[in-house]
Amino acid sequence: DVKVTQSSRYLVKRTGEKVFLECVQDMDHENMFWYRQDPGLGLRLIYFSYDVKMKEKGDIPEGYSVSREKKERFSLILESASTNQTSMYLCASSLAVSSYNEQFFGPGTRLTVL
Amino acid sequence: QKEVEQNSGPLSVPEGAIASLNCTYSDRVSQSFFWYRQYSGKSPELIMSIYSNGDKEDGRFTAQLNKASQYVSLLIRDSQPSDSATYLCAVGFQKLVFGTGTRLLVSP
Repeated sequence: DVKVTQSSRYLVKRTGEKVFLECVQDMDHENMFWYRQDPGLGLRLIYFSYDVKMKEKGDIPEGYSVSREKKERFSLILESASTNQTSMYLCASSLAVSSYNEQFFGPGTRLTVL
Repeated sequence: QKEVEQNSGPLSVPEGAIASLNCTYSDRVSQSFFWYRQYSGKSPELIMSIYSNGDKEDGRFTAQLNKASQYVSLLIRDSQPSDSATYLCAVGFQKLVFGTGTRLLVSP
């Protein structure tokens, strides 16, 4: 079974803090994704990565950055947290091979910025 | 703007009935179609994937795809209270676009 883990289930931070969210997958997947999920807005893609050290912006990259130094690990960074970044953050991974690109999600991190 | 549309619901069905969930998408070149189930406070769980026109069955679940009509559906037979959740439709290829989900309520 694919396993995607995230560093924290719940996180509370203060405005202006630098926040790191970590994601690790154990299935040698090439693709990794960061989403945020908000009521009424659904899942929105923040950043994704097709390979180590490669990253591409998703639909809402503003205020976020990412790092992928190893294939199994994809980090999301909030340089200066703001209250509008309070959300559920979901990491996912998938194979790069066509027709088998199901995305598998981690348990999520519920981030509250005060 | 690529869009995936779902009725937000709730869709209420009695236990044992068939639940029918629908999804339309705007990008004609989409190649992959998925249904995820999400319980309240949990992350999405993949339940079905479909890549070609027609039906695909897996246990009590059947996914149906009609690319000409840009329509994908999920049927849940013999619905159980444990099926009560939000069902997300996702469409795309390497990158996916998700609908906002349909909330399903199965009453005993």
